[in-house]
Amino acid sequence: AQSVTQLDSQVPVFEEAPVELRCNYSSSVSVYLFWYVQYPNQGLQLLLKYLSGSTLVESINGFEAEFNKSQTSFHLRKPSVHISDTAEYFCAVSEAAGNKLTFGGGTRVLVKP
Amino acid sequence: KAGVTQTPRYLIKTRGQQVTLSCSPISGHRSVSWYQQTPGQGLQFLFEYFSETQRNKGNFPGRFSGRQFSNSRPEMNVSTLELGDSALYLCASSFVAGAVTDTQYFGPGTRLTVL
Repeated sequence: AQSVTQLDSQVPVFEEAPVELRCNYSSSVSVYLFWYVQYPNQGLQLLLKYLSGSTLVESINGFEAEFNKSQTSFHLRKPSVHISDTAEYFCAVSEAAGNKLTFGGGTRVLVKP
Repeated sequence: KAGVTQTPRYLIKTRGQQVTLSCSPISGHRSVSWYQQTPGQGLQFLFEYFSETQRNKGNFPGRFSGRQFSNSRPEMNVSTLELGDSALYLCASSFVAGAVTDTQYFGPGTRLTVL
């Protein structure tokens, strides 16, 4: 069985400061890794994903995540946040051959001016 | 390409009733998954349909069911509603090519309140 742990339930951060959201997973098989973002009263939007290849993946809005197989982690980072980054962020895994996503508990990011 | 849509967006029901939620996947996507999101349990996988077949199932009671036919929109049904069924129900669609399943794209959800 797979599981995902997001170590921080809330992260307050000042505008233009860096942020890191931590995600660790456990699985007995190869996995795909995802970060989704959820804005208030909306569904989930895909931020970035790791399927294979380069362990560093980037999104179009400045986020990046690095897959570390030895530490079973997929931490999300952004060097400089904006007010509009205020949202809840979910880390998720799926088995390489399946389609069931297992989510972490989410991390609420509150960007303060 | 239009995104995933869900109807209705909001729904209020009373205990014991049943409810049907509908999803319109992205054109060409044959895999549709359903998730329940609650403050206490977070995001939990309900089931996945590939074309008309249920391919994966989460740990939910039989009151939760789905159906997906080629000539109609995918639906999920919850019978004999309980207060604890109050949640945001999310539908996600993905493209499948052979044994490879692509990324899931989520709809905005249906907010169900059970009174």
